[in-house]
Amino acid sequence: EAGVVQSPRYKIIEKKQPVAFWCNPISGHNTLYWYLQNLGQGPELLIRYENEEAVDDSQLPKDRFSAERLKGVDSTLKIQPAELGDSAVYLCASSQQGVGTDTQYFGPGTRLTVL
Amino acid sequence: SQQGEEDPQALSIQEGENATMNCSYKTSINNLQWYRQNSGRGLVHLILIRSNEREKHSGRLRVTLDTSKKSSSLLITASRAADTASYFCATDAYSGAGSYQLTFGKGTKLSVIP
Repeated sequence: EAGVVQSPRYKIIEKKQPVAFWCNPISGHNTLYWYLQNLGQGPELLIRYENEEAVDDSQLPKDRFSAERLKGVDSTLKIQPAELGDSAVYLCASSQQGVGTDTQYFGPGTRLTVL
Repeated sequence: SQQGEEDPQALSIQEGENATMNCSYKTSINNLQWYRQNSGRGLVHLILIRSNEREKHSGRLRVTLDTSKKSSSLLITASRAADTASYFCATDAYSGAGSYQLTFGKGTKLSVIP
């Protein structure tokens, strides 16, 4: 069974440029998560989707970040414009049901460097 | 914000020794989970312990949970070089509006020396 797929794995951009990350969850997983992980820190939730509905986006900086999950499968996270402080690893995860006891499966992440 | 706090921040041991990592948290939880992250790779779920459980085993892993002290520990027995990684505790807790959220700590960086 294929795991969570993310692309690109690495991205280097200049500040004020836009950037987008793509995630393909495990087949059949209804819940999809985007996390931000700064160096030396644990992941922090940005947004959670149940199918195509964003059910928890309280920690997504909506002035520059946006996300979508069309058709309840793949998802895209966008930053426009990027700032120096956005340099981090962006992790995507998926789970079957999204309940507390459900295991989350993580992708390898996209390492973003903003110059 | 991060609820769990792991201790120590870094741990270096010889292969074959046991490694113990601790996690403290602040609010009531539904369950607590431990994850491992190898350098440059995604997180891998290791074990989940429910709030009404006190101890759980999985292979060389032993997890304990003390809800009265709001703390958990992860013991890795007979460590191997391949266990070198960062270990994160994550607490699953009610975040409002009928929703639960997984909140990660900062992690313990374990180095197992061959």
